[in-house]
Amino acid sequence: DAKTTQPPSMDCAEGRAANLPCNHSTISGNEYVYWYRQIHSQGPQYIIHGLKNNETNEMASLIITEDRKSSTLILPHATLRDTAVYYCIVRIRKGQGNLIFGKGTKLSVKP
Amino acid sequence: DVKVTQSSRYLVKRTGEKVFLECVQDMDHENMFWYRQDPGLGLRLIYFSYDVKMKEKGDIPEGYSVSREKKERFSLILESASTNQTSMYLCASSFVVGDTSNEKLFFGSGTQLSVL
Repeated sequence: DAKTTQPPSMDCAEGRAANLPCNHSTISGNEYVYWYRQIHSQGPQYIIHGLKNNETNEMASLIITEDRKSSTLILPHATLRDTAVYYCIVRIRKGQGNLIFGKGTKLSVKP
Repeated sequence: DVKVTQSSRYLVKRTGEKVFLECVQDMDHENMFWYRQDPGLGLRLIYFSYDVKMKEKGDIPEGYSVSREKKERFSLILESASTNQTSMYLCASSFVVGDTSNEKLFFGSGTQLSVL
């Protein structure tokens, strides 16, 4: 089973910031936190990942708490095209191919 | 941009047929993966490969096999399709930066397979 906990759904108004939380209380010291999203009928898309420090790229920001037990993905100005299922993933086994996708958060951006 | 191409968007097959799902990536990635996605179950890893002619079982390999004869191509084979293999199949490739914990996956658009 996935070692992350996310709310099943969230709503956000268009143009506002979307803050998606994730709990990963059993994370190990060298495990990265990954975020992917899946727009309906498409394959998952990589968004961002981080280890300890906060990260930002052209798509989003990732805030990881100091104890690393939780994180927040921030979409600063959500658009209707950001409506998707967002997956927070922590690698739980060593080696390649071991990203375990849970059920994610269904984000609905509304006009 | 990385492109992962799956040969078919939709497939309909009969029970007992041999089914080939093809996946090609154009970024010279070492690693390739096959997942299936079912409602309520999320994505589950079937097989992956970290080099040509190499393969590793994922979480649900039963009923499937794979082939990786060239670096850019990874094929998923259903030897004798069954109705419980009706699913969305997703191919991915990845590169690793530094240690194996720092890995970014790129997915294809998926193949919706229906086995009747």
